[in-house]
Amino acid sequence: GQNIDQPTEMTATEGAIVQINCTYQTSGFNGLFWYQQHAGEAPTFLSYNVLDGLEEKGRFSSFLSRSKGYSYLLLKELQMKDSASYLCAVRDNDNYGQNFVFGPGTRLSVLP
Amino acid sequence: ETGVTQTPRHLVMGMTNKKSLKCEQHLGHNAMYWYKQSAKKPLELMFVYSLEERVENNSVPSRFSPECPNSSHLFLHLHTLQPEDSALYLCASSQDVRQGSETQYFGPGTRLLVL
Repeated sequence: GQNIDQPTEMTATEGAIVQINCTYQTSGFNGLFWYQQHAGEAPTFLSYNVLDGLEEKGRFSSFLSRSKGYSYLLLKELQMKDSASYLCAVRDNDNYGQNFVFGPGTRLSVLP
Repeated sequence: ETGVTQTPRHLVMGMTNKKSLKCEQHLGHNAMYWYKQSAKKPLELMFVYSLEERVENNSVPSRFSPECPNSSHLFLHLHTLQPEDSALYLCASSQDVRQGSETQYFGPGTRLLVL
């Protein structure tokens, strides 16, 4: 079956670093995506990993280990506006590669 | 603004009503999706259209009926819904590629309440 796990909630302090973990078990793998979703808004794309290793994009980095079925999103120099839900999603082989399986999301609260 | 618009943004309907949700994308994509997002649950894929043909409906109840007249427009027709269908309905679009970093772009969603 398809399964993606993330912590439900996390709290961090402004200016700090936080790591949000994601583990997955899917039928096939065609890439892992991270999205940010503010309350009441649409998810927006943050990062993409298909090969093992770290992808860095400004304050955000994402890591993938395909052998372990594991990814993390690293947020540095946290700002209050980073308070949001962070969704991990895997594109698997179903629906001719158009299937995205989402995790439950991690609600991050950044405190002053 | 992601280039994907949805109307209406909010909808309240009774269980005997018939209504439609509309999605339009201005990104030149040729794959479109309907998702359901309920409180405390992951995003659930409902329908995928690729090049205007439905690829998968993921065992969604027949009270939800999608329509994709062209690659820019997607509808979700609703009839005889149940209170548990109350949720945020998100539309998304992407390029129709099988691999690569082509992500989905989401609309703002329609918040649906079924009474």
